[in-house]
Amino acid sequence: GAVVSQHPSRVICKSGTSVKIECRSLDFQATTMFWYRQFPKQSLMLMATSNEGSKATYEQGVEKDKFLINHASLTLSTLTVTSAHPEDSSFYICSGQGDGGKLFFGSGTQLSVL
Amino acid sequence: KQEVTQIPAALSVPEGENLVLNCSFTDSAIYNLQWFRQDPGKGLTSLLLIQSSQREQTSGRLNASLDKSSGRSTLYIAASQPGDSATYLCAVEGGSEKLVFGKGTKLTVNP
Repeated sequence: GAVVSQHPSRVICKSGTSVKIECRSLDFQATTMFWYRQFPKQSLMLMATSNEGSKATYEQGVEKDKFLINHASLTLSTLTVTSAHPEDSSFYICSGQGDGGKLFFGSGTQLSVL
Repeated sequence: KQEVTQIPAALSVPEGENLVLNCSFTDSAIYNLQWFRQDPGKGLTSLLLIQSSQREQTSGRLNASLDKSSGRSTLYIAASQPGDSATYLCAVEGGSEKLVFGKGTKLTVNP
């Protein structure tokens, strides 16, 4: 069945470094990919929406230069957190939407910035 | 701005009990409402999706209802099992096609 594979599941990095999170859609083509983050005891919040081959649309308050999204193919989308800081520590999760409109979520990435 | 609230934040029940999770939303102009299950390390799984024109959906031991006019939905779990232990999220999709999530209810079913 359709699955979204998200890697890494957990990453710890030093402040100032960049971290890349990958999401691959397996057995389906994700025409749209959504990126969310979730702070402890908070709701999942949409960060950005990306369509294959075009620039991502960012939600209000999300810095596009800090959170770089690349959706170069129908099966791969990446989120790069540039110059990460402790306040960027959060749970990041992607969701791929296929032609039928159904959403499939990755397993999430727990980012800890020291 | 749409806001989704889930009550309770956490719930612990003995195995076999029937239970109800609640979700409320502030803007009734929604396309649909979904209930998800969130397991650590396994991402989100969609459980039930109710279109705005529907009043309920059922899948196995799960039943979700929707009262759009009052901005409420409930997820009913019958004969709970330890494997049902997870965080349950409610999310609504509105005109902007964005999913707005609640904070979730953490369910623990004790054997």
